[in-house]
Amino acid sequence: EVQLVESGGGLVQPGGSLRLSCAASGLTFSNYWMHWVRQVPGKGLEWVSRIKYDGIVTMYADSVKGRFTISRDNAKNTLYLQMNSLRVEDTAVYYCARDDYAYWGQGTLVTVSS
Amino acid sequence: DVVMTQSPLSLPVTLGQPASISCRSSQGLVHSDGNTYLSWFQQRPGQSPRRLIYKVSNRDSGVPDRFSGSGSDTDFTLKISRVEAEDVGVYYCMQGTNWWTFGQGTKVEIK
Repeated sequence: EVQLVESGGGLVQPGGSLRLSCAASGLTFSNYWMHWVRQVPGKGLEWVSRIKYDGIVTMYADSVKGRFTISRDNAKNTLYLQMNSLRVEDTAVYYCARDDYAYWGQGTLVTVSS
Repeated sequence: DVVMTQSPLSLPVTLGQPASISCRSSQGLVHSDGNTYLSWFQQRPGQSPRRLIYKVSNRDSGVPDRFSGSGSDTDFTLKISRVEAEDVGVYYCMQGTNWWTFGQGTKVEIK
């Protein structure tokens, strides 16, 4: 059974940093591109970032480009999202998802507030 | 950017009755590889999104056959043939042809 489990969310002040993790199991992680998607509580879904299976190619939404960095460790079957210069508007539940969006994690809440 | 526009945004339905959600894209969704990357997701209250339909009309494993997807180019539809109580939630379309964008979501509730 494929499982994606996010962690690392929490409360952070504006301008601060946070690193999210997504632990994958039940799939050959190194074969798949992976995504991060976020959702402001009570609102819609927004694509954030994507990374190639080997980690060489990365893509970002304009809203996070230059502040967020996606990476992965295939030996640990783990996807990461390093979030710097956080803004109030980055407050959301962050989901990781496999490239085909057939599998999603349960999400981790990031709250940016003073 | 490809903009996805869903309608209606709220859909009260009677149990056992059909329901239909429209999704329109600001540009055609046929990829250069010939596929149309249009998916539908269901998000029940307090849960993560769940993919129901991929590439316009392909139903995911375990998805009841009362759910169906259709459409082409810029116009797509998700239909529920007979709404059941477990179908309550928010439904999103998403295009993956030109980067990835989601519709605003349609909230399905029981009358």
